[in-house]
Amino acid sequence: NAGVTQTPKFQVLKTGQSMTLQCAQDMNHEYMSWYRQDPGMGLRLIHYSVGAGITDQGEVPNGYNVSRSTTEDFPLRLLSAAPSQTSVYFCASSYSYPGAYNSPLHFGNGTRLTVT
Amino acid sequence: SQQGEEDPQALSIQEGENATMNCSYKTSINNLQWYRQNSGRGLVHLILIRSNEREKHSGRLRVTLDTSKKSSSLLITASRAADTASYFCATDEETSGSRLTFGEGTQLTVNP
Repeated sequence: NAGVTQTPKFQVLKTGQSMTLQCAQDMNHEYMSWYRQDPGMGLRLIHYSVGAGITDQGEVPNGYNVSRSTTEDFPLRLLSAAPSQTSVYFCASSYSYPGAYNSPLHFGNGTRLTVT
Repeated sequence: SQQGEEDPQALSIQEGENATMNCSYKTSINNLQWYRQNSGRGLVHLILIRSNEREKHSGRLRVTLDTSKKSSSLLITASRAADTASYFCATDEETSGSRLTFGEGTQLTVNP
């Protein structure tokens, strides 16, 4: 199984550009989420989805949009990139909500984004 | 703001020694989880402990939870070089709904 697949692995953007980070999972997981990881700050939740057609904001949603049209895919859109969005982005999925027993988060290997 | 704070930030030990990492949190939780992250990779789930449990084992891992002190510890026994990674605690807060909140992590280095 591929698990959680993120593309691209690396991306460099100029300030003001937009782009979409792709995330796909093949485990039929209902829950999907996006985190950003910055040095000294751990992982912070950007947006999450509990099922197709349902999304909600996390801790740091500003500057990002998401949609969930299918169970498998959960793209993250940067509307107008800023240097503060330089980070490593992780997509993660779980069978049901990630606090449930036997429903741990499964992570992709991340997208390293640099905004100049 | 981060729910979990981990201590120490970095830990360096010799192969065969035990490694202990601590996590403190601020609000009431349903459960607490530990994840491992190897360099350049995503996080991998290690173990979950519920708020009504005090200790849990999985192989060389031992997790304790003290809800009165709002703290947890992860013990890795007989460490190996392959255990070198960052370790994160993640809490499922009672009022958080469908989200986990991660700590800042402990970087463990196991020297051969």
